[in-house]
Amino acid sequence: AQSVAQPEDQVNVAEGNPLTVKCTYSVSGNPYLFWYVQYPNRGLQFLLKYITGDNLVKGSYGFEAEFNKSQTSFHLKKPSALVSDSALYFCAVRDLYGNNRLAFGKGNQVVVIP
Amino acid sequence: GAGVSQSPSNKVTEKGKDVELRCDPISGHTALYWYRQSLGQGLEFLIYFQGNSAPDKSGLPSDRFSAERTGGSVSTLTIQRTQQEDSAVYLCASSLLVREGEKLFFGSGTQLSVL
Repeated sequence: AQSVAQPEDQVNVAEGNPLTVKCTYSVSGNPYLFWYVQYPNRGLQFLLKYITGDNLVKGSYGFEAEFNKSQTSFHLKKPSALVSDSALYFCAVRDLYGNNRLAFGKGNQVVVIP
Repeated sequence: GAGVSQSPSNKVTEKGKDVELRCDPISGHTALYWYRQSLGQGLEFLIYFQGNSAPDKSGLPSDRFSAERTGGSVSTLTIQRTQQEDSAVYLCASSLLVREGEKLFFGSGTQLSVL
C-alpha cells in the first residue's frame, strides 16, 4: 500500500530564508504526489501536485516541489519564507495503478520566525 | 454551496453513546473521502465513495464505524458506542472524479470529543 513519510515534526525558519519541507513516499507503481496546507483554524487546501512531466512543479503562494524518483522524494520548497507561511503541511501520494486511496503523511508544522 | 460543508463543527459526547457526523460535498463531485486527524498522527484514511461503486471501507478502524452516502451526495459517518480514543477531528473531502490529478476539497471538519 502507498505511504508517505515526513521525517520532521516541526520546521523552524527565519523570515526571508529558504524553506524546505521533506517528504519521501512508497508506492508499488507510479506515484501521483500532492502537497496540502492547513492554516490555523482553516481547512486543508491544495498547494500543488506532480502527475507526470517536469520534475519541478510550481504551485500556489510561491511554493514549488521537486520530484526525485531515484530518492523517492517530493520535497516542498519556497525560496523566501513569509510569516504567513506558518502552517501545517501535508504530503500525500496516490498509486497510479493501485487503489484510489490518497495516503497522507503525519504533517509538518512550519514556524516562520519574524 | 461553495465548498464542502460538515456538521456539526463540534460534538461532545459521553463514552458509549452513538454519534453521527454529516458531510455535504461540493455539488457534482462524485468522489467523497472521510479522514480522521489526530494530534501527531496526521490524516488517517477511513472510507472512500466513488459514484455508484462499492465504497472502500478498508480504513475503518473497527466495526463501530460505518458510513453511507445517499443519492451520491450527502454522506453520514456513524460511530457507535464511542470510546475516548475516537476523539479527533473528522474531515470530509470531495473531488470531481477519482482520476490521477484530481485534487481534494476539504471541509472544516467535526471536532469530536468523547468524555
